[in-house]
Amino acid sequence: SQTIHQWPATLVQPVGSPLSLECTVEGTSNPNLYWYRQAAGRGLQLLFYSVGIGQISSEVPQNLSASRPQDRQFILSSKKLLLSDSGFYLCAWSVSGSRQPQHFGDGTRLSIL
Amino acid sequence: QKEVEQDPGPLSVPEGAIVSLNCTYSNSAFQYFMWYRQYSRKGPELLMYTYSSGNKEDGRFTAQVDKSSKYISLFIRDSQPSDSATYLCAMRDYGGSQGNLIFGKGTKLSVKP
Repeated sequence: SQTIHQWPATLVQPVGSPLSLECTVEGTSNPNLYWYRQAAGRGLQLLFYSVGIGQISSEVPQNLSASRPQDRQFILSSKKLLLSDSGFYLCAWSVSGSRQPQHFGDGTRLSIL
Repeated sequence: QKEVEQDPGPLSVPEGAIVSLNCTYSNSAFQYFMWYRQYSRKGPELLMYTYSSGNKEDGRFTAQVDKSSKYISLFIRDSQPSDSATYLCAMRDYGGSQGNLIFGKGTKLSVKP
């Protein structure tokens, strides 16, 4: 069966520091991969998605970037964190193809001080 | 008008009650509909996935889609305290961007013993 792993579960970072969040998927090949941010009262906001290695689509302009160095690995990064980057970050995957639902990891709660 | 509207609740019911959770949408191109359950500090978990009008049942859960009214529902029978969570509806159209999954903001449900 397929599983998705995200780490760390929680992270506290100072303003201006770099960020790297990692997500890996097991048990499937060539998945679509997604990064979301969930803020209280604002729902899930899609940040990036990827349909293959090195292919990244950005949904909103922001201080963050994403990379997909391997088929089942998705990384969310920032060179300098802002206070507004605080939030709950979720990685998700789906079988390639537009009909397939997405499956989420357990998220990283990021606090910026 | 937002694409997907979902009453945020909170909704509080006694154990054993039938729960009805609802979403309305405005985009008639939406073809695929999902319900996710999200426990506190966890990622959303896929509960139901359907792409046709009518009812789909899975144990105590029934998903209902009415495309003519642009209205979807999730019914929970014999609700349990373990059903206490936030429920998110999600939907997308056929084709288009792989990232084009639209979420409601979630309804918080509390089932009291």
